[in-house]
Amino acid sequence: EDKVVQSPLSLVVHEGDTVTLNCSYEVTNFRSLLWYKQEKKAPTFLFMLTSSGIEKKSGRLSSILDKKELFSILNITATQTGDSAVYLCAGGPVGGGADGLTFGKGTHLIIQP
Amino acid sequence: GAVVSQHPSRVICKSGTSVKIECRSLDFQATTMFWYRQFPKQSLMLMATSNEGSKATYEQGVEKDKFLINHASLTLSTLTVTSAHPEDSSFYICSAGQKYEQYFGPGTRLTVT
Repeated sequence: EDKVVQSPLSLVVHEGDTVTLNCSYEVTNFRSLLWYKQEKKAPTFLFMLTSSGIEKKSGRLSSILDKKELFSILNITATQTGDSAVYLCAGGPVGGGADGLTFGKGTHLIIQP
Repeated sequence: GAVVSQHPSRVICKSGTSVKIECRSLDFQATTMFWYRQFPKQSLMLMATSNEGSKATYEQGVEKDKFLINHASLTLSTLTVTSAHPEDSSFYICSAGQKYEQYFGPGTRLTVT
């Protein structure tokens, strides 16, 4: 059975801090690891990672995949209160658009002013 | 960017009745759409893969006779919760894939009384 485990499940930090969110996966025929941000409703796409060791960046967010250790991290630097959300990690067998995803339970991140 | 809509956004129904949820890809064609369910403080769980012109593929443990999926066109998939019970109350989200990304609808909050 496919499994995605995220840690920590919740995290409270102060504005300006840097956070690292963890995701380990066991997905049959794994091809891609995706990160989403979920606020009040549906998740919004952050990153898709398919290659090991190549960091993807978008502003203050960055992510990297380790396919040997079956692990990914999401870093957020200089956190802001608007970063408060649930961050979901998901593993997919092929491309993110072609197959259903296996999601982790998410990390509930709270940024305090 | 690709937009996926869902209707209704919120529905309350009585136990024993059926509820239909629509998922539409507004600016692209989707041969495959996915239906997820999310219980409070839980992650998204893939329920089924909806295939245009053919039968849906259900995940293990999801009753296909209870959750009827129809994908009649390249832009519309419907999920009908039949004989709904209070334990079916949940947040139902659809998504559609385009290239390497998966775009989520805004979700439907179902409450069964």
